[in-house]
Amino acid sequence: DVKVTQSSRYLVKRTGEKVFLECVQDMDHENMFWYRQDPGLGLRLIYFSYDVKMKEKGDIPEGYSVSREKKERFSLILESASTNQTSMYLCASSLRGSGRGEQYFGPGTRLTVT
Amino acid sequence: AQSVTQLGSHVSVSEGALVLLRCNYSSSVPPYLFWYVQYPNQGLQLLLKYTTGATLVKGINGFEAEFKKSETSFHLTKPSAHMSDAAEYFCAVIKYSSASKIIFGSGTRLSIRP
Repeated sequence: DVKVTQSSRYLVKRTGEKVFLECVQDMDHENMFWYRQDPGLGLRLIYFSYDVKMKEKGDIPEGYSVSREKKERFSLILESASTNQTSMYLCASSLRGSGRGEQYFGPGTRLTVT
Repeated sequence: AQSVTQLGSHVSVSEGALVLLRCNYSSSVPPYLFWYVQYPNQGLQLLLKYTTGATLVKGINGFEAEFKKSETSFHLTKPSAHMSDAAEYFCAVIKYSSASKIIFGSGTRLSIRP
């Protein structure tokens, strides 16, 4: 079974702090994704990586950056956390071109910025 | 551009009743369509997908969906609801300009009444 793990299930940070969310997958997937999930808005793509050191902006990249130094690990960085970044963050991975897009998700990190 | 509309943010049915969750898509080319399910405090998992071939697709836990090109719909059904079906359900379509990306609908929360 594909396993996608996220470093924290719940996180509370203060406004202005630098926040790191880590995601690790164990199935050698090329693609990795970061989404945020808000009630009534579904999932919105923040960033996408299709290979080590490669990244592509999603629909809402402002205020976020990412890092992919190793194939299995994809980090989301909030440079200076703000209260409007309070949300559920979901990481996902997929094989390039396989199954036309089927993604495997981690359990999510619920981030609260106070 | 591809997009997905889920009709009804919240659906409530009695245990044993028919489940019908509605999804309409827009796509300029034949779409690849997905239904994902999110149980409380978990990430998303794939319920079923339509790529090509048979338009009636069967998924896990007794769910199925039918691709209707003429109606641009991909509604999810289950003949008899079970309490364990309570979850949030997301319809999604592949983003054809980038085959690895998925566009998610806003989600439908399914509640089951005893």
